[in-house]
Amino acid sequence: SQQGEEDPQALSIQEGENATMNCSYKTSINNLQWYRQNSGRGLVHLILIRSNEREKHSGRLRVTLDTSKKSSSLLITASRAADTASYFCATEPNMRFGAGTRLTVKP
Amino acid sequence: GAVVSQHPSWVICKSGTSVKIECRSLDFQATTMFWYRQFPKQSLMLMATSNEGSKATYEQGVEKDKFLINHASLTLSTLTVTSAHPEDSSFYICSATWGSSGRSGNEQFFGPGTRLTVL
Repeated sequence: SQQGEEDPQALSIQEGENATMNCSYKTSINNLQWYRQNSGRGLVHLILIRSNEREKHSGRLRVTLDTSKKSSSLLITASRAADTASYFCATEPNMRFGAGTRLTVKP
Repeated sequence: GAVVSQHPSWVICKSGTSVKIECRSLDFQATTMFWYRQFPKQSLMLMATSNEGSKATYEQGVEKDKFLINHASLTLSTLTVTSAHPEDSSFYICSATWGSSGRSGNEQFFGPGTRLTVL
């Protein structure tokens, strides 16, 4: 069964704009991880945020975690066409994935 | 980051045959491996969690006898789709970590996936 739910399901923006994706989950977690997947390919790990952390940065990525609301957000700043992909969150334990957000960045 | 490979990357088989997919951790010892399937434009569905040397833990609704998982060594897990049917056609992805299932807090490393088409 799925653990997380991402929204929006699809997001289309212009290059240079920021993209925000949200993930909600149902049960207690140890950590939450964000991944990207290019069409028909494997997953690439982006960032891991632990349950006792509230915010984490990595390059143009910013992830927040609100355990009281059981939600996380992924912000991609200054988006590029190469950021076009599907983005998923996954929670540990159990490593179940949300439905994903398909991001399209138009040049 | 660590590398996980899958073989084959794609396979086409006839209905009723069995197909084996290998997942290897190339530069680390994977105590836990996960198997997922993914339908087009959908998310990854966890099928089973496999710890080296023990039986796999299957998710509800996944048939153990149909999807045989063997994690015989710290670098290799195999998924065998037995008596495959067209509805088994999917993208199968494995991931590996060196932590114990559910407690690692470690990054999952994903294989590139295997596309199975059953005719």
